[in-house]
Amino acid sequence: DAKTTQPPSMDCAEGRAANLPCNHSTISGNEYVYWYRQIHSQGPQYIIHGLKNNETNEMASLIITEDRKSSTLILPHATLRDTAVYYCIVRINAGGTSYGKLTFGQGTILTVHP
Amino acid sequence: KAGVTQTPRYLIKTRGQQVTLSCSPISGHRSVSWYQQTPGQGLQFLFEYFSETQRNKGNFPGRFSGRQFSNSRSEMNVSTLELGDSALYLCASSGHSGANVLTFGAGSRLTVL
Repeated sequence: DAKTTQPPSMDCAEGRAANLPCNHSTISGNEYVYWYRQIHSQGPQYIIHGLKNNETNEMASLIITEDRKSSTLILPHATLRDTAVYYCIVRINAGGTSYGKLTFGQGTILTVHP
Repeated sequence: KAGVTQTPRYLIKTRGQQVTLSCSPISGHRSVSWYQQTPGQGLQFLFEYFSETQRNKGNFPGRFSGRQFSNSRSEMNVSTLELGDSALYLCASSGHSGANVLTFGAGSRLTVL
């Protein structure tokens, strides 16, 4: 799986958009970008994933650059409950032999302030 | 539907003992994977089971083992516990849809004294 680089920490004001960047310059054509987050003392939670098109769900939006070497997770209206560690992971999607294996980096600690 | 259930949530052991942790996946999910999380090493993949067979294994010593039962429930065992085994052990299950998304449990926090 391709390696990812994320800033170690970011701050955001409550109600504002949080934009979390991720660099994955060695991504290959069949690898997807996944985002998970981990709120303190809980298990990681899936947020969103994408291949090359921008994606949006009820939690967030994912913007992937045209060359696919970087992406941004957007939380449109951050709340205090969004304070967590956010992990960007690049991996091959279903059909491979490693469904359950994710390689987590250090992630970005997002702190949302009142 | 019910999420991934891990038991026990907290436990304390002493060096040299062994421990067994249990994981019940989401109904219908046949893949169960295990992770260890420590402050120093972060989240690390231990192993994955699918249909009672170990499909993938991380870089951990043989003291770490696991198994999966016919109902997809899984257990992991750590023998001859060391202080460094103190960690949050997380279980995740996955169905075989195109999204390949993992759902994690809340974890079992092991303290080795």
